[in-house]
Amino acid sequence: QQPVQSPQAVILREGEDAVINCSSSKALYSVHWYRQKHGEAPVFLMILLKGGEQKGHEKISASFNEKKQQSSLYLTASQLSYSGTYFCGTGDYGGSQGNLIFGKGTKLSVKP
Amino acid sequence: GAGVSQSPSNKVTEKGKDVELRCDPISGHTALYWYRQSLGQGLEFLIYFQGNSAPDKSGLPSDRFSAERTGGSVSTLTIQRTQQEDSAVYLCASSPGSGAYNEQFFGPGTRLTVL
Repeated sequence: QQPVQSPQAVILREGEDAVINCSSSKALYSVHWYRQKHGEAPVFLMILLKGGEQKGHEKISASFNEKKQQSSLYLTASQLSYSGTYFCGTGDYGGSQGNLIFGKGTKLSVKP
Repeated sequence: GAGVSQSPSNKVTEKGKDVELRCDPISGHTALYWYRQSLGQGLEFLIYFQGNSAPDKSGLPSDRFSAERTGGSVSTLTIQRTQQEDSAVYLCASSPGSGAYNEQFFGPGTRLTVL
């Protein structure tokens, strides 16, 4: 089942903070976050694993609530370069190991 | 080192024709994924290859779609009897291991237009 992302879109001023949420109806063992700029390929931001392990960029902060099957991406002191569409991808126990299902994305626009 | 490459970058075809899209993953990556991204939409999973295991084909939308991965490296996505709704960007990604636990590296994509 496709995870649900919220909000669908957000507009920020430089320096403002934002939270992007990702929730699933299935038990998850991993959540991935990627950012895609217009006309470019998605780029890895972070992986959060069941049990608390995280792998990703130091400047990116995220959480994974296994019981609620939710993850949140925290963007603080936003910069113009943060603009893009953010996708979460989830690995659940119903799929084959290694398969990810991505949400529809959250479009973030950072204005000067 | 070289990243994931895809060819062609753009493909325009007529309805009913067959097309082949190619993906060259990062050397040594055992996992390879195909996704489809329609305009303004998310990443739709199509198929996943992991080492010598049978591929996970659960995302293929119809039997017109098929994919192969030869020698654990290059992959080809084939769409037979293309339809206008097949128009999209087809993205390939590779990963050093199981994609659920490892970063996926995406290629630049192939933009397919079916007239």
